[in-house]
Amino acid sequence: IQMTQSPSSLSASVGDRVTITCRASQSISTYLSWYQQKPGKAPKLLIYAASSLRSGVTSTFSGSGSGTDFALTISSLQPDDFATYYCLQTNDLPWTFGQGTKVEMK
Amino acid sequence: QVQLQQSGPGLVEPSQTLSLTCAISGDRVSSISAAWNWVRQSPSRGLEWLGRTYFASSKWHSHYAVSVESRITIIPDTSKNQFSLHLNSVTPEDTAVYFCARLQWGSKYLDFWGHGTSITVSS
Repeated sequence: IQMTQSPSSLSASVGDRVTITCRASQSISTYLSWYQQKPGKAPKLLIYAASSLRSGVTSTFSGSGSGTDFALTISSLQPDDFATYYCLQTNDLPWTFGQGTKVEMK
Repeated sequence: QVQLQQSGPGLVEPSQTLSLTCAISGDRVSSISAAWNWVRQSPSRGLEWLGRTYFASSKWHSHYAVSVESRITIIPDTSKNQFSLHLNSVTPEDTAVYFCARLQWGSKYLDFWGHGTSITVSS
């Protein structure tokens, strides 16, 4: 299953609303999770089951979608949110990641 | 709190075997609610899932990505509560950062990750 993530990068300011999308090449139900990665660090789980917020993750992050189309939204971008974000499908093997979206400061 | 501690050499010669270990604390490698995975990351391939091992129905199971399935083995070690990655016949294309990660069954997400090991394949 191919995961097409967009955009590949975006520039935004603190306080902006940001949306990143992921499209699966076939239905993956809600077996979609979102990760944040900072340079030199492992990815960190933010959202699982498409829309469930991991405990301890700020509620400015939210996820939506099912089937083939998914979105990660940051309602109000904070300084700590500048990072690269990835989606991952775990519906079918091999599990596949999106190409990533780098969120940069405008 | 689950922690995954990776260990292994950072430099591997071409045609040799890359071996990494992921030691688990806060969970058991034989847990029936989790699977244990290896993922790698390189500029050319992005994040790539390599394979998993897990215990279910009284036996061990392993599944691998097609891109490496002829060269990869993931082995659990219950006595040391860890699992290992062995990738043989490596080439410079296997140069990447390698991560171990736990997958929770149910909603199937990678909730805990190792810190990553940078592997260079070079003579």
